[in-house]
Amino acid sequence: DQQVKQNSPSLSVQEGRISILNCDYTNSMFDYFLWYKKYPAEGPTFLISISSIKDKNEDGRFTVFLNKSAKHLSLHIVPSQPGDSAVYFCAASPYSSASKIIFGSGTRLSIRP
Amino acid sequence: DAMVIQNPRYQVTQFGKPVTLSCSQTLNHNVMYWYQQKSSQAPKLLFHYYDKDFNNEADTPDNFQSRRPNTSFCFLDIRSPGLGDAAMYLCATSREESSYEQYFGPGTRLTVT
Repeated sequence: DQQVKQNSPSLSVQEGRISILNCDYTNSMFDYFLWYKKYPAEGPTFLISISSIKDKNEDGRFTVFLNKSAKHLSLHIVPSQPGDSAVYFCAASPYSSASKIIFGSGTRLSIRP
Repeated sequence: DAMVIQNPRYQVTQFGKPVTLSCSQTLNHNVMYWYQQKSSQAPKLLFHYYDKDFNNEADTPDNFQSRRPNTSFCFLDIRSPGLGDAAMYLCATSREESSYEQYFGPGTRLTVT
């Protein structure tokens, strides 16, 4: 029973274009969402997050959008750069238990020249 | 640099032979987590420690145990590894249980022969 779903295992985007990574969740108790980025042979690193009281959070080239009614969030990367090639994990947590983060299975993003 | 360190990076054990994975942190965080990640799947939380308080996830098999002798170190013990326990094991830390952002080590890849 996957509570956080990333339906695209992989995505290829041309350098300079927008990358859009999608994530769906099923548990309405989730109210905090995070994106992690993982390079090969390294652990995941925190990228950006959003609280359920917001519908958008921006940090430089990275923007996360949250659509609570659709239980959907997306990560936009503009413009995409070669260093953005990595696996991106979507994660969610209920406010009542910040330590209980549920991860998606990840999307491998490849930025081609 | 403050970090989360996992040793060894690769571990091979025999079916049924106990194995211990270790994690240390220089971040002085109160919470330490162990995740299991099987190929192309989401990292799955096994348990976490808040200081010396142990919190086991309901679906974590009894075969998995953990010890945290001090703030800096946490160990994952697999008492009788089965072939299904072959996976990447990720250690993470957070400042407090209320902290959403977690800091991950590079992981230990466990092979069971």
